Amino acid sequence: DIVMTQTPSSQAVSAGEKVTMSCKSSQSLLYSENKKNYLAWYQQKPGQSPKLLISWASTRESGVPDRFIGSGSGTDFTLTISSVQAEDLAVYYCEQYYDTPYTFGAGTKLELK
Amino acid sequence: QVQLKESGPGLVQPSQTLSLTCTVSGFSLTSYSVHWVRQHSGKSLEWMGRMWSDGDTSYNSAFTSRLSISRDTSKSQVFLKMNSLQTEDTGTYYCASGGRYFDFWGPGTMVTVSS
Repeated sequence: DIVMTQTPSSQAVSAGEKVTMSCKSSQSLLYSENKKNYLAWYQQKPGQSPKLLISWASTRESGVPDRFIGSGSGTDFTLTISSVQAEDLAVYYCEQYYDTPYTFGAGTKLELK
Repeated sequence: QVQLKESGPGLVQPSQTLSLTCTVSGFSLTSYSVHWVRQHSGKSLEWMGRMWSDGDTSYNSAFTSRLSISRDTSKSQVFLKMNSLQTEDTGTYYCASGGRYFDFWGPGTMVTVSS
């Protein structure tokens, strides 16, 4: 199975700060034939189901604010929130869909400083 | 508008079988896959398996021997059955639609395995 490692596990932030979180995979998620990275990011708020933010490592879903930016390739990926808002306090998960079983990282929890 | 909703017993005794239903609307099961994903309390997410649009199934090998996914397209429902439940199967079970990543999720149903 592909292992997804997210760091940090939690991060205390203030509104307006720029935040970055990392996701590393145990093998490359870049498919050579189409040059796409098979990685997604999800946001989960307390008591809610996860919400898809980004697919293909950097493609924002419709309606997702442009302060959420996905980047990276191969085995190293980053989710950046350019200016954190109060409503962004949540747990963020990365998921690889390069191969089954699809696997998730342990999550990065954003908390208020 | 795509919607998914899980339903199930809430409480299951150890060694018994879990049966969950995912009822979908806003799309056809013959056009899109439906997945089952589990989350232990306060923990990460675990992909369990999927029902493909053509009726085929794929399973996480961690569950293969005791997990079965089926569907009733006329009722827009996908079913999960998992036997030999243990306390470590306690958690929230989600169904989600999508190809390989999960576009839409149900609200989840909490399952407690306890005598």
